[in-house]
Amino acid sequence: EVQLVESGGDLVQPGGSLRLSCVGSGFIFASFEMNWVRQAAGKGLEWVAHISGRSKTIYYSDSVKGRFTISRDNAKRSAYLQMNDLRAEDTALYYCAKDLRGPFDHWGRGTLVVVSS
Amino acid sequence: SSELTQDPAVSVALGQTVRITCQGDSLRSFFASWYQQKPGQAPVLVIYAENIRPSGIADRFSGSSSGNTASLTITGAQAEDEADYYCNSRSGSYVIFGGGTKLTVL
Repeated sequence: EVQLVESGGDLVQPGGSLRLSCVGSGFIFASFEMNWVRQAAGKGLEWVAHISGRSKTIYYSDSVKGRFTISRDNAKRSAYLQMNDLRAEDTALYYCAKDLRGPFDHWGRGTLVVVSS
Repeated sequence: SSELTQDPAVSVALGQTVRITCQGDSLRSFFASWYQQKPGQAPVLVIYAENIRPSGIADRFSGSSSGNTASLTITGAQAEDEADYYCNSRSGSYVIFGGGTKLTVL
């Protein structure tokens, strides 16, 4: 059974940093691209970042480019999202999602990031 | 990046058929995927590559596409289908989501 478990969400002040983690199991982690998607309370889904299996291809949404960094460690079956210069508008539930070269076929349950003073 | 447009809300009588649409220029080049999200839960993929259902998804869910519009059809809607539905696709190096459609089953 495929499982994705996110962690690292927290309350952080504006301008602060946070690192999210996503651990995958039940599939060959290194063979799949991974994404981070966020959802503010009561709002829709917003794609944040994408990383290929060997980290050769990385993409970001315009809203986080230059502030967030996606990475992965296949030996640890983990993907990460380093978030710097956090803003109130970054407050959201952050999901990691396994990429089936197009569709996101499995999602974690999310980790909550709150940016507030 | 491009945009995907969905109707904010749609309703359907129990047992009837409903179509949820998603419009955007990226759909001329890339397949849409569809996700169901119930309150307090993570999204679940229900349709991809235009009309492929992942394992475990009921066969009352189907997809289609024409030009810049993708559609998700639920034939014989059930009470448990009440949820938010999102489409997404690639757009160059971006991934884009529609704004979501809240489906109410009456």
